[in-house]
Amino acid sequence: EDKVVQSPLSLVVHEGDTVTLNCSYEVTNFRSLLWYKQEKKAPTFLFMLTSSGIEKKSGRLSSILDKKELFSILNITATQTGDSAVYLCAGVTGSEKLVFGKGTKLTVNP
Amino acid sequence: DTAVSQTPKYLVTQMGNDKSIKCEQNLGHDTMYWYKQDSKKFLKIMFSYNNKELIINETVPNRFSPKSPDKAHLNLHINSLELGDSAVYFCASSYPPGQGGDTQYFGPGTRLTVL
Repeated sequence: EDKVVQSPLSLVVHEGDTVTLNCSYEVTNFRSLLWYKQEKKAPTFLFMLTSSGIEKKSGRLSSILDKKELFSILNITATQTGDSAVYLCAGVTGSEKLVFGKGTKLTVNP
Repeated sequence: DTAVSQTPKYLVTQMGNDKSIKCEQNLGHDTMYWYKQDSKKFLKIMFSYNNKELIINETVPNRFSPKSPDKAHLNLHINSLELGDSAVYFCASSYPPGQGGDTQYFGPGTRLTVL
């Protein structure tokens, strides 16, 4: 059965801290791994990872995939209150079905 | 310039009623999806349509019937609503499988409350 597990489920930090969010996956005929940020409404796309060891970066956010260990991390440096959200990881199967994890709820306090 | 839009944003109804949620995308995508996000924020796929044809149906009760009149629209009709149907329903779209279809763009969601 396809499965994506995220940890921690919840995280509270202070502004300026660096956080690492974890995602492990087991999906059929794995194609790629996606990270989304969900604030109040729709998930918004952050990264798509297909190759091991190649870091994707966007501002203070970065992510990397390890296809051998079936694992990805999302790093956020110098966190701001606007980073508070639920971060969702999804594995994409060979039939392009997205299998989501339960998300990590990040709260950044001033 | 809305990319993926859904109507209504909120829907409150009684058990046993039939209701529909509409979704439209103007991104030129061929593939559209319906997801259900429960109270624990777990997002799970329900259906996927590629160019008006059903390609994924994830063991959803047959009270749920998606309808795609054209590739820019995917509506969700729910018969005989039950309390457990209360959730946020998200529509999404992407390019077809094999053509960059991994990245899906989500609509704003429809919060359905069944009383």
